[in-house]
Amino acid sequence: KAGVTQTPRYLIKTRGQQVTLSCSPISGHRSVSWYQQTPGQGLQFLFEYFSETQRNKGNFPGRFSGRQFSNSRSEMNVSTLELGDSALYLCASSRLGGVAPETQYFGPGTRLLVL
Amino acid sequence: AQSVSQHNHHVILSEAASLELGCNYSYGGTVNLFWYVQYPGQHLQLLLKYFSGDPLVKGIKGFEAEFIKSKFSFNLRKPSVQWSDTAEYFCAVKQGNVPPSGGGADGLTFGKGTHLIIQP
Repeated sequence: KAGVTQTPRYLIKTRGQQVTLSCSPISGHRSVSWYQQTPGQGLQFLFEYFSETQRNKGNFPGRFSGRQFSNSRSEMNVSTLELGDSALYLCASSRLGGVAPETQYFGPGTRLLVL
Repeated sequence: AQSVSQHNHHVILSEAASLELGCNYSYGGTVNLFWYVQYPGQHLQLLLKYFSGDPLVKGIKGFEAEFIKSKFSFNLRKPSVQWSDTAEYFCAVKQGNVPPSGGGADGLTFGKGTHLIIQP
């Protein structure tokens, strides 16, 4: 079974621009979560999508948004990029998410550099 | 908000030494506990997890962890490390039995990670 895939793997943008990252979950997984990984803050939860609806959201500004499609693929968008948005963005999928005690499986991440 | 604390940010050991990485969390309710590993150049992989039942759980590559509810701890152990265990280790916690609120941060809460270096 193929794992979680993320595209692109690397991205360079300049301040003020916007960016869209894509994530394809493991086949059959309906929950997709996004995390930001930085050296200073570590891994932080951004949001979770299930059945095309945002179910949970972390403590990030509204510039960070996402969506999920009917095939469970998800996109994350960051508008008006700031230097501090430079990070590794990780996508994780699980079958049900939410209250279900289950494992999240992570993709390789998209490394974003904002100049 | 819950938090996860990993006591050691950097650990250096020689091959065959025993390993224990500490992890403490703050949430007092039902929790789901995980240890993930990130090998150099690779993505996060699950080492082991605890949902319920036997508090001593075994994972891949000879790792195990013990859930001690009274201490809010989930320490990772390995009796004899190998050079290939060099990696970043993350402890993560998820609140259990919490309905999706739509507003709260109900995803995984990670510790800051422990960078483990095994010297041959």
